[in-house]
Amino acid sequence: NAGVTQTPKFRVLKTGQSMTLLCAQDMNHEYMYWYRQDPGMGLRLIHYSVGEGTTAKGEVPDGYNVSRLKKQNFLLGLESAAPSQTSVYFCASNTRGLAGSYEQYFGPGTRLTVT
Amino acid sequence: AQSVTQLDSQVPVFEEAPVELRCNYSSSVSVYLFWYVQYPNQGLQLLLKYLSGSTLVKGINGFEAEFNKSQTSFHLRKPSVHISDTAEYFCAILGGYNKLIFGAGTRLAVHP
Repeated sequence: NAGVTQTPKFRVLKTGQSMTLLCAQDMNHEYMYWYRQDPGMGLRLIHYSVGEGTTAKGEVPDGYNVSRLKKQNFLLGLESAAPSQTSVYFCASNTRGLAGSYEQYFGPGTRLTVT
Repeated sequence: AQSVTQLDSQVPVFEEAPVELRCNYSSSVSVYLFWYVQYPNQGLQLLLKYLSGSTLVKGINGFEAEFNKSQTSFHLRKPSVHISDTAEYFCAILGGYNKLIFGAGTRLAVHP
């Protein structure tokens, strides 16, 4: 049981390049989330998904797109990277309702630098 | 709208001393509150949560927190800290669709 995994762990991009971050969970969770962490700002929600084929915007969605084609995977895309997107990105998942007691399970993070 | 404020960005403390990390929240609906810990270069780990019932919640690693509805607070405490408690601590409130709304974090530095 690997929990939540993220690929890649580190990446350096040049301004204007594109990339996709992959999140995978093996807990059969319905809900999945992408957060970014910046110093002094905590974690902020980028996008989330409440089920396969559904996505919704979070607090800071601009410049990002997401897809949830399979229940276990949640992809975060940057179409044209900007230095302001330099951050640590965390994926998380949890199950709907009290069965999971609302605990979110986090991946190890992806450190992205845009030069 | 829901929000969380962590009142201290950094808390230095000596080993074996007690510590309190402060968290205030704002919400117009029922609150579910969490404390997460992030050790250097790692992901987030749940310390404890308040969903209902007793206002004093015990978590892992000897931490506890008290939910105070009248003061809209959920402060985290430990009676005696260790060097290994050095980490960043995040208070969070549950939003719709189980989203988490985080505070800015408190960096706890335990000195020998």
